[in-house]
Amino acid sequence: RKEVEQDPGPFNVPEGATVAFNCTYSNSASQSFFWYRQDCRKEPKLLMSVYSSGNEDGRFTAQLNRASQYISLLIRDSKLSDSATYLCVVSGTASKLTFGTGTRLQVTL
Amino acid sequence: NAGVMQNPRHLVRRRGQEARLRCSPMKGHSHVYWYRQLPEEGLKFMVYLQKENIIDESGMPKERFSAEFPKEGPSILRIQQVVRGDSAAYFCASSPDGSPHEQYFGPGTRLTVT
Repeated sequence: RKEVEQDPGPFNVPEGATVAFNCTYSNSASQSFFWYRQDCRKEPKLLMSVYSSGNEDGRFTAQLNRASQYISLLIRDSKLSDSATYLCVVSGTASKLTFGTGTRLQVTL
Repeated sequence: NAGVMQNPRHLVRRRGQEARLRCSPMKGHSHVYWYRQLPEEGLKFMVYLQKENIIDESGMPKERFSAEFPKEGPSILRIQQVVRGDSAAYFCASSPDGSPHEQYFGPGTRLTVT
């Protein structure tokens, strides 16, 4: 079983739509959680950290459910520029980050 | 403040040659991480270094791969006797003291082994 599992997609949505991505992780000792964004053939960039209390940054909302070992990302009012691969990332006590394979989003006109 | 720099951006090597990938962390960062991304796969941790020390190399293949982060100069990931399976994007990240999970990634080096 992969440490971090994501639906690879692609998710094809029209501009203005709301889209949600989910991710599960296998290591219950994981302590830190993030969503990264990766554009084609570019480096990953931190989108937001994820907390149990939930956190929001503009059109983006992230949620963590420790009991179910489940992380979500909600994007409201999708823009063309949101088209990218979204990476779910977890980390334990060590400094290394464990990445999911990513969920591809394509926003269309 | 320049970001993480990696060079070369693209590297082509024939089977059996050596590949040297360089990474300069962000100014003020003394922690460096190397990750590898194979085609259509997620990033996989390879090694974590601080100045002159390897902290965690649990993701490094046992043979042919080595990494260093000298007191002066960039971090180097060295792959000896490359094989076709080494073809991948190699990303370096750096973090400031006290914030190991605040990792900033460089643009990567795309290694192609022919």
